[in-house]
Amino acid sequence: DAGVIQSPRHEVTEMGQEVTLRCKPISGHNSLFWYRQTMMRGLELLIYFNNNVPIDDSGMPEDRFSAKMPNASFSTLKIQPSEPRDSAVYFCASSPSSGTGIEQFFGPGTRLTVL
Amino acid sequence: AQSVTQPDIHITVSEGASLELRCNYSYGATPYLFWYVQSPGQGLQLLLKYFSGDTLVQGIKGFEAEFKRSQSSFNLRKPSVHWSDAAEYFCAVAPARGKLQFGAGTQVVVTP
Repeated sequence: DAGVIQSPRHEVTEMGQEVTLRCKPISGHNSLFWYRQTMMRGLELLIYFNNNVPIDDSGMPEDRFSAKMPNASFSTLKIQPSEPRDSAVYFCASSPSSGTGIEQFFGPGTRLTVL
Repeated sequence: AQSVTQPDIHITVSEGASLELRCNYSYGATPYLFWYVQSPGQGLQLLLKYFSGDTLVQGIKGFEAEFKRSQSSFNLRKPSVHWSDAAEYFCAVAPARGKLQFGAGTQVVVTP
């Protein structure tokens, strides 16, 4: 069974460019989460979706960040325009609809470098 | 304020020795509790979780954790570490559905 899939694994871009990160959750999971990990701030929850609907986006740093989940098997996190301080590892996680639904399964992450 | 604390930023342990990583939380009620491990360049992998019931929880890779309500702690243990256990370990709590809050992490170095 495939786990959470993220692409690309690495992204290097220049300041001002648009960046799109992609995530495919585990099939059958109905909650999806986007996290950012930096040395300074650790792991931060940016936004999460339940049944494709954004539930809590209070962690999204600013309007340059947006996330969508057009269907149950795909989500994107977009940064436009990107800035050097956005450099981080971005993780996507999904959670099953059964049981408590609290347990989250993480993807391998996308390492973003903004020059 | 709600919080989760991992007091040890870095721990060095000899291969074969025992390991204990500390985690304390501050919440109004007992939250759901988790330990995750992150190997270099990898995502987070769930080691174990506590929702209710038996306060000693067994996980993967030989790890266990004990929930102590009186101390608001959920410490992770392994009796004998292997070189492959070198990684960063995160304690996480979830007071409500979906809102996992992570500690700052403990980096474990295993020496020969």
